Amino acid sequence: GQNIDQPTEMTATEGAIVQINCTYQTSGFNGLFWYQQHAGEAPTFLSYNVLDGLEEKGRFSSFLSRSKGYSYLLLKELQMKDSASYLCAAPEGNNRLAFGKGNQVVVIP
Amino acid sequence: GAVVSQHPSWVICKSGTSVKIECRSLDFQATTMFWYRQFPKQSLMLMATSNEGSKATYEQGVEKDKFLINHASLTLSTLTVTSAHPEDSSFYICSARGTGGKETQYFGPGTRLLVL
Repeated sequence: GQNIDQPTEMTATEGAIVQINCTYQTSGFNGLFWYQQHAGEAPTFLSYNVLDGLEEKGRFSSFLSRSKGYSYLLLKELQMKDSASYLCAAPEGNNRLAFGKGNQVVVIP
Repeated sequence: GAVVSQHPSWVICKSGTSVKIECRSLDFQATTMFWYRQFPKQSLMLMATSNEGSKATYEQGVEKDKFLINHASLTLSTLTVTSAHPEDSSFYICSARGTGGKETQYFGPGTRLLVL
C-alpha cells in the first residue's frame, strides 16, 4: 500500500508563491496526483505526474522525483480563491487512490 | 470533459428513512466508481469501490447492508443509505475513473446528508 505524508497548514499572502510537499512510500509506483478541495466542496483534479520533473499548468506546477518518493505542488501568484486544502494521492491496489491528509493553504490579503 | 454529477446535492431526512444518492459520469464511461465520506475537517474516507456489473468492494468497517451500492451501467452508480441515523450525517462524495487506463479519478460535487 501507499503511505502518504503532507504537512498540515500554511498561510501566505496574495501574490506570493507557496510550495506544498508530499512524500510517499510505495510498493509499486503508478503516478502521483494533486487535487484541490475548497471548504465544503468535493476535490477537483489539478495534476498527474508519472515521470520525473516539473509539469507546469498556468499558475500551478507539480514536480515529481520517483527516486526520492517526493512531489511538490507550486502555486504562483497566489489569489484569495486559492485558499483550499491541497491533497496528494497515489494509486494503490484495486484501482484505489491513497490520499494524504491534505495541506490547508490560507491566503491573506 | 470528465464531468461527474451527483444528485441530490443535499438532503435532510428523518432517522430511520433510506436515502439514495446518484452519481453519474456525464461525458465518459466509468468502469469504476468510488464512494467516499468526509466528516468536517477530516480526510476523505473511502467507503467502497464499485465496478460496473459486479458487486462493490467495501472497505473495512463499512457495513455493506447499510450502504447499498449499485453500479448498473457505465455512467451510473447509486449509494443507498438504509435506515439512516444521525451519525450517518456526512458529506458523501463519489468519484469516477474512466476506461482509458489512466488512473485519474474525477469527483462529483458531493451530497450533504443531514439525518434528524
